[in-house]
Amino acid sequence: NAGVTQTPKFQVLKTGQSMTLQCAQDMNHNSMYWYRQDPGMGLRLIYYSASEGTTDKGEVPNGYNVSRLNKREFSLRLESAAPSQTSVYFCASSEVVGQPQHFGDGTRLSIL
Amino acid sequence: GENVEQHPSTLSVQEGDSAVIKCTYSDSASNYFPWYKQELGKGPQLIIDIRSNVGEKKDQRIAVTLNKTAKHFSLHITETQPEDSAVYFCAASISGTASKLTFGTGTRLQVTL
Repeated sequence: NAGVTQTPKFQVLKTGQSMTLQCAQDMNHNSMYWYRQDPGMGLRLIYYSASEGTTDKGEVPNGYNVSRLNKREFSLRLESAAPSQTSVYFCASSEVVGQPQHFGDGTRLSIL
Repeated sequence: GENVEQHPSTLSVQEGDSAVIKCTYSDSASNYFPWYKQELGKGPQLIIDIRSNVGEKKDQRIAVTLNKTAKHFSLHITETQPEDSAVYFCAASISGTASKLTFGTGTRLQVTL
């Protein structure tokens, strides 16, 4: 029972490069989320998808795009990476918005 | 929007002692308060949650209390063990709506032998 799986686990990019972070869940959850975690700032919501076919902005959406590919998969894309996007990115899912969220183990992204 | 403040940012206790982490929230409509534990290199894991229709919830050595009037909630860990060492996050949201979780900034708990 994998839960929430994120790929890759680590990535180093150069400024201006593009990158897609992948997330898949096997719990048949309707809602999925992308967060970034920076030292001293906790977890901040980037985008979320309340259900298949819908996406909405969170607290810090600038510089990111998302795609809810199907019920299982929710990807996060950086079109032109900037050093300020160096962070640990977490994907999460829940049965519906407002229910307990289950997190993956993160993608550690460094942008030089 | 919702704002969640968490204190302390670091906490060191001796094995066997109790640890208390406190959070305050700003939106009186918030009614769901989960706590997450994050170990090094891992994602946050839900350890306990409470809804606003109860004042306290306990699960073995951990308990959460909620004071709706004062808009604060706390995590209590008794008989701490070295494996309790981790970063703990509180969060708040309005359950049953499209409201998202707002997280506190985390507390690094170290349990020393």
